[in-house]
Amino acid sequence: QVQLQQWGAGLLKPSETLSLTCNVSGGSFSGSFSGYYWNWIRQPPGKGLEWIGEIDHTGIVHYNPSLKSRVLVSLDSRVTTSFATSKNQFSLELKSVTAADTGVYFCAIGRPMDVWGKGIAVTVSS
Amino acid sequence: ETTITQSPAFMSATPGDKVNISCKASQDIDDDVNWYRQKPGEAPIFIIQQATTLVPGIPPRFGGSGHGADFTLTINNIEPEDAAFYFCLQHDNFPYTFGQGTRLEIK
Repeated sequence: QVQLQQWGAGLLKPSETLSLTCNVSGGSFSGSFSGYYWNWIRQPPGKGLEWIGEIDHTGIVHYNPSLKSRVLVSLDSRVTTSFATSKNQFSLELKSVTAADTGVYFCAIGRPMDVWGKGIAVTVSS
Repeated sequence: ETTITQSPAFMSATPGDKVNISCKASQDIDDDVNWYRQKPGEAPIFIIQQATTLVPGIPPRFGGSGHGADFTLTINNIEPEDAAFYFCLQHDNFPYTFGQGTRLEIK
């Protein structure tokens, strides 16, 4: 069964860079993940979900225009060079965070979002 | 950007009831809508794909309908375990957008 686990710093100060990683277990790029999309989503407190961006297994990315100038989604470098790798991770970087970036951040994979992680809470506060 | 208006924001039901949750898109999005269920502290669960197709493993009490701009999630014969937050996702065009969600309470 495919499972996603996220990790990263949960408390940031304004202007810092948010960095999160999502590890996918229970499958592989050469097998069940072929053709999947790897997404990041967030949910501010008391608000709805917001899509941040996605990357596919070839490294093609799409970002939400509202965040595009500050966001980077990337695959583990070994993934892009070898479809046989068993390390299935992708990452999110969000630069120059403010209090408005506080929320729960989710990773999800699929066509486009079949399986989700539980989410990780991130707080931006001085 | 496609705006998704989901309603109601909150609803209460009794076991055995049938409930409908609506998502309306600001433009035609074909059938590119998924539905999810989320319980506190848990990962969202994928329940309906491409507007009408039940995801394998999801009870047949759940159903989806709609095409174009109007979509509905139907839950028949509500059970206590169905208490959760439900939301829709449009993946027809970028940026992907979500409905605001519906909190379903079971009395």
